[in-house]
Amino acid sequence: EPEVTQTPSHQVTQMGQEVILRCVPISNHLYFYWYRQILGQKVEFLVSFYNNEISEKSEIFDDQFSVERPDGSNFTLKIRSTKLEDSAMYFCASSDGGEGEKLFFGSGTQLSVL
Amino acid sequence: QKEVEQNSGPLSVPEGAIASLNCTYSDRVSQSFFWYRQYSGKSPELIMSIYSNGDKEDGRFTAQLNKASQYVSLLIRDSQPSDSATYLCAVDYGGSQGNLIFGKGTKLSVKP
Repeated sequence: EPEVTQTPSHQVTQMGQEVILRCVPISNHLYFYWYRQILGQKVEFLVSFYNNEISEKSEIFDDQFSVERPDGSNFTLKIRSTKLEDSAMYFCASSDGGEGEKLFFGSGTQLSVL
Repeated sequence: QKEVEQNSGPLSVPEGAIASLNCTYSDRVSQSFFWYRQYSGKSPELIMSIYSNGDKEDGRFTAQLNKASQYVSLLIRDSQPSDSATYLCAVDYGGSQGNLIFGKGTKLSVKP
């Protein structure tokens, strides 16, 4: 069964450092997303991406965040200067844009900012 | 502020019983509703979607939607210990494709 893959599974970084989280969405999907989940909290929408541009972003997705689809398969989330409060599980998701926007999530990257 | 509310539980049911999970949402424009299952430390896994009022059944799962009451529920029949997880209700409020608002989840424990 096709799946969304994310690397790395764990990322530890120092405050102020840049991190790039990587995702390979399901191959025939057209819509890509990043969500995050702080430990014990809700899953929160960060950004949606379609046709090589951001469709929508949340208040969380400030200037420190950026997304890119550098080639035909990868989808990345960059955090320019990490803060302690960026520590969370980051989930990539994709959908084919069909009825009801069913999202399929990757296994996540646990980001720890020290 | 668009909200999705769930009882955080834990909800404990014996094996073989029916588990009933509830969710309310704040905005009437919502069109699509989803139930995700999340095992501890894992990613959300879609188990049900529902778009119109009434019931939708898929195996042991039944989703129920009442837009007038802004209420979504999930019934799990013949609950199994493997159903023990956190169940997340997610609502599409009509923003961009795939911008879902999640509830905090209800933790379900099925006792053998």
